[in-house]
Amino acid sequence: QVQLQESGPGLVKPSETLSLTCTVSGGSISTYYWSWIRQPAGKGLEWIGRIYTSGSTNYNPSLKSRVTMSVDTTKNQFSLKLTSVTAADTAVYYCARLAKGTLLFRGMDVWGQGTTVTVSS
Amino acid sequence: QSVLTQPPSVSAAPGQNVTISCSATSSNIGNNYVSWYQQLPGTAPKLLIYDNNKRPSGIPDRFSGSKSGTSATLGITGLQTGDEADYYCGTWDSSLSAFWVFGGGTKLTVL
Repeated sequence: QVQLQESGPGLVKPSETLSLTCTVSGGSISTYYWSWIRQPAGKGLEWIGRIYTSGSTNYNPSLKSRVTMSVDTTKNQFSLKLTSVTAADTAVYYCARLAKGTLLFRGMDVWGQGTTVTVSS
Repeated sequence: QSVLTQPPSVSAAPGQNVTISCSATSSNIGNNYVSWYQQLPGTAPKLLIYDNNKRPSGIPDRFSGSKSGTSATLGITGLQTGDEADYYCGTWDSSLSAFWVFGGGTKLTVL
């Protein structure tokens, strides 16, 4: 059974870069799409982006200028970098597997437990 | 503001049935699969419905999904107190800037 685990600093200073890693266990990271999603306290889910194991990406247009995702198939990990963070980036960050059929994305079928990131000086 | 529109809240008594709607423009729901997620308090979201109307293994058949045109609906029958949670719809937006979108979420209260 595939499991995901987010890791990274829980506190980031304003204007700095938020960096998180998601480790995939119980299965291979290859041939799947992987996503990052965040959720500010008391608010809804916001999709940040997705990466395929080839390295191809799609990002949320509202965050695109600040987001970079990468994948390391040798470590079964994928990562998120979000630059120039502000207090508005404070949220629980989730990683998830985005299942895809022949043509269409089917849904996010495996989720990590989430990690809280606070942006504060 | 979410591209997918859900009612902020719905409520019903135990044993009753409830539906949650999700509507959008045709560039997303109309052309792509809709999925639904349940988020119990303090936990990560969990996939409830994928491919518009399919249930992952382990999801009771009390949960159902449907899609018609640019709208999707989550149905829950025989409500239980344990169903009290936030529910989100999601789909791929096939616009020029292709990306995934979530609805704003619906808080289900089981009275």
